[in-house]
Amino acid sequence: QVQLPQWGAGLLKPSETLSLTCAVYGGSFSDYYWSWIRQPPGKGLEWIGEINYSGNTNYNPSLKSRLTISVDTSKNQFSLRLNSVTAADTAMYYCARVRVALIEGARYGFDVWGQGTMVTVSS
Amino acid sequence: DIVMTQSPDSLAVSLGERATINCKSSQTVLYSSNNKNYLGWYQQKPGQPPKLLIYWASTRESGVPDRFSGSGSGTDFTLTISSLQAEDVAVYYCQQYYNTPFSFGPGTKVDIK
Repeated sequence: QVQLPQWGAGLLKPSETLSLTCAVYGGSFSDYYWSWIRQPPGKGLEWIGEINYSGNTNYNPSLKSRLTISVDTSKNQFSLRLNSVTAADTAMYYCARVRVALIEGARYGFDVWGQGTMVTVSS
Repeated sequence: DIVMTQSPDSLAVSLGERATINCKSSQTVLYSSNNKNYLGWYQQKPGQPPKLLIYWASTRESGVPDRFSGSGSGTDFTLTISSLQAEDVAVYYCQQYYNTPFSFGPGTKVDIK
């Protein structure tokens, strides 16, 4: 069974850098894309970005200028860095596996999720 | 960017009754070359991450009870719970993966009447 434990700092001050890592245990790392998704308290879901085994990334334009998603294939891990955080970045951050259709290469669903990391930005 | 909307914001349904949630995308999510709708549905219970229920608009994820069904095409979609159970109390989200940035609807909260 695939598991995605995730970790990182949960309390940040404005202007600091958010850094989270997600590990992939129990399944293929190379056959999927890997995403970060966040959810402000009491609100809906926002897709942050994704990366694959080869390091190909797609970012949400709303965050692109502050965002880096990277992959460490030697450890089957992927990471999120978000610079210059503000209170608006306070949210539960999830990592998730993204299914990829073999023929079309289309992504078609986040089927395995991490447990989430609550990140609070406060002075 | 594709904007997803859902209706209603919330609904309360008696146990055993039908619950229907609507989702609309600001542009088509039907990919003409393979005739697939790039639309999924998720269930989120309090304190838990979302769970994938439906993909390709109507394909049920493995292990999901058959009381959950998805329908629709193009820009208009529906998630139906045919006979609501107590464990179905949750917030339900639709999501498009037609293009990036992938986007979710605002969610529909389902409660027991």
